[in-house]
Amino acid sequence: EAQVTQNPRYLITVTGKKLTVTCSQNMNHEYMSWYRQDPGLGLRQIYYSMNVEVTDKGDVPEGYKVSRKEKRNFPLILESPSPNQTSLYFCASRVQGQAYNEQFFGPGTRLTVL
Amino acid sequence: AQSVSQHNHHVILSEAASLELGCNYSYGGTVNLFWYVQYPGQHLQLLLKYFSGDPLVKGIKGFEAEFIKSKFSFNLRKPSVQWSDTAEYFCAVNAGSTGRRALTFGSGTRLQVQP
Repeated sequence: EAQVTQNPRYLITVTGKKLTVTCSQNMNHEYMSWYRQDPGLGLRQIYYSMNVEVTDKGDVPEGYKVSRKEKRNFPLILESPSPNQTSLYFCASRVQGQAYNEQFFGPGTRLTVL
Repeated sequence: AQSVSQHNHHVILSEAASLELGCNYSYGGTVNLFWYVQYPGQHLQLLLKYFSGDPLVKGIKGFEAEFIKSKFSFNLRKPSVQWSDTAEYFCAVNAGSTGRRALTFGSGTRLQVQP
């Protein structure tokens, strides 16, 4: 089954404790992206990657890092989480190329930083 | 920069009522427009998209949307809603023809359909 998976689905942590949220897709998509969803703000892009070893900042990159060492994986790293990073995070992927290509979303990771 | 406005934040309808959710974007050039739906506890799914051709686009589950370039709008419609349509709906735009630009999402409209 074609899908985007994320782990963990739920995470409660404390300020300053480094964490990684994994994202993996099995559709051989070049483009992958991380979004955060906050009430009243919709989804905002954190980082994206157009291919292996090619990453760039989205609209809200502060406090986050990413890496793209393999085509299928795109982990999101919070080196020193803070309470304002409490949010619902979605990973997405799509075929690179045309801007109208559909993005496929993962199930989401709900992060709480105390 | 591109932006998307969804003016209806919360809509409550009875079953069989007609639905129209507003979406306006700000970008003067070529745009690709999307409507995504998020059912409670689930991830986003694509309802429909527009990138060229017929401005009236039909999607899944009986939804349709009309692209009106002069009004910078892409409103979502359904003639008769069902209780199962209860969800949050997001309009999104991707400006330009290349794949580099990100999707810009509106703030979402929460639809509640009462049986």
